[in-house]
Amino acid sequence: SAVISQKPSRDICQRGTSLTIQCQVDSQVTMMFWYRQQPGQSLTLIATANQGSEATYESGFVIDKFPISRPNLTFSTLTVSNMSPEDSSIYLCSVGGGGLAGGLYNEQFFGPGTRLTVL
Amino acid sequence: AQSVSQHNHHVILSEAASLELGCNYSYGGTVNLFWYVQYPGQHLQLLLKYFSGDPLVKGIKGFEAEFIKSKFSFNLRKPSVQWSDTAEYFCAVNPDRDDKIIFGKGTRLHILP
Repeated sequence: SAVISQKPSRDICQRGTSLTIQCQVDSQVTMMFWYRQQPGQSLTLIATANQGSEATYESGFVIDKFPISRPNLTFSTLTVSNMSPEDSSIYLCSVGGGGLAGGLYNEQFFGPGTRLTVL
Repeated sequence: AQSVSQHNHHVILSEAASLELGCNYSYGGTVNLFWYVQYPGQHLQLLLKYFSGDPLVKGIKGFEAEFIKSKFSFNLRKPSVQWSDTAEYFCAVNPDRDDKIIFGKGTRLHILP
């Protein structure tokens, strides 16, 4: 299994500012995923963060709004840029089971989430 | 587009009642199937998973799920619920050879003591 931590756990931000969320894993993984869970909604995949290459974004999400870094095999950041109240959500980091093999060979492990409120 | 449908958004049961939460997916190929649970204030965690083999899979805490390929369904069951099962339950599908998981909207389960 993988243990994932996220920082910050929660934040309240002003409209127009940016917030960077950090995700740390206790083992090396090839693929990390960033999800958004809006109030009363399901988890929506924002992007897949691959070490050594550009993140792959899902439809409706763009790099300018959600830039992602993946400097090594245990760490990633997601930035929510130029925030608006619609960005209020829980942001979750996850990794696929399988260690360095990455991918969903067994299951995905999730971090505790970052609860973001934009005023 | 691939999607996952959970039929019940909010379920309220008394302790010892039987539980069945419906899940259907839309994808014609091979899939891996999951149920995740999120207890109040805790992380998402895996309840059970189906990759291949026996379509009836057993998970933690007495939960089980049955994969019915012809119905594109993966319903979650528990014969006798407990107050501690109060949580939100998410059905999820991983199309084979894809790295992504598609989640349903979740079912909020509330067990009355």
